[in-house]
Amino acid sequence: DTAVSQTPKYLVTQMGNDKSIKCEQNLGHDTMYWYKQDSKKFLKIMFSYNNKELIINETVPNRFSPKSPDKAHLNLHINSLELGDSAVYFCASSLSTGGSPLHFGNGTRLTVT
Amino acid sequence: LAKTTQPISMDSYEGQEVNITCSHNNIATNDYITWYQQFPSQGPRFIIQGYKTKVTNEVASLFIPADRKSSTLSLPRVSLSDTAVYYCLVGPRQYSSASKIIFGSGTRLSIRP
Repeated sequence: DTAVSQTPKYLVTQMGNDKSIKCEQNLGHDTMYWYKQDSKKFLKIMFSYNNKELIINETVPNRFSPKSPDKAHLNLHINSLELGDSAVYFCASSLSTGGSPLHFGNGTRLTVT
Repeated sequence: LAKTTQPISMDSYEGQEVNITCSHNNIATNDYITWYQQFPSQGPRFIIQGYKTKVTNEVASLFIPADRKSSTLSLPRVSLSDTAVYYCLVGPRQYSSASKIIFGSGTRLSIRP
């Protein structure tokens, strides 16, 4: 059973489109995250939710909007996609916000053309 | 958040012990040190976490000197499958909205037969 699963694995789309990435965790964790890994392999946190409540919202364009329908799901919707949005997006979860280890999904490679 | 510095890359051979050092000179009192491993096309995987002295699990050991300004991940008897990027992460117990959780550039470890 995959602990943190995200779909789709690959997403190729054109500039200006709107797309969503879904994430689900079956670990019973309270906290979920979205990370972005750019071409230089730097991983940066974008958002974090704890029990469906937004607790971290880094400097991310408001074209990116996370949604957490329940604590096992955290989806990421991106409006008006730009070339610079091309990256690998990772979903992760942790038991709590208290520094517990992160469990990552296998990523969604987004390519904007 | 404490900035971390790691070697960009390291090479070793199967069966050797590999030590990867991470510098974090401005680590805060409530910061923990966590190491992750990332294979191509996968999300990072938690390896080990510690606060001070030495921590050991079935995969690795983490050595932290008294001043906590650096830490060393030790991988005993590496195999080809240990070829990956290793990230050192320093962060507070509570990931508040004021925190920026950033993975560094990591150390690309290559193991040769």
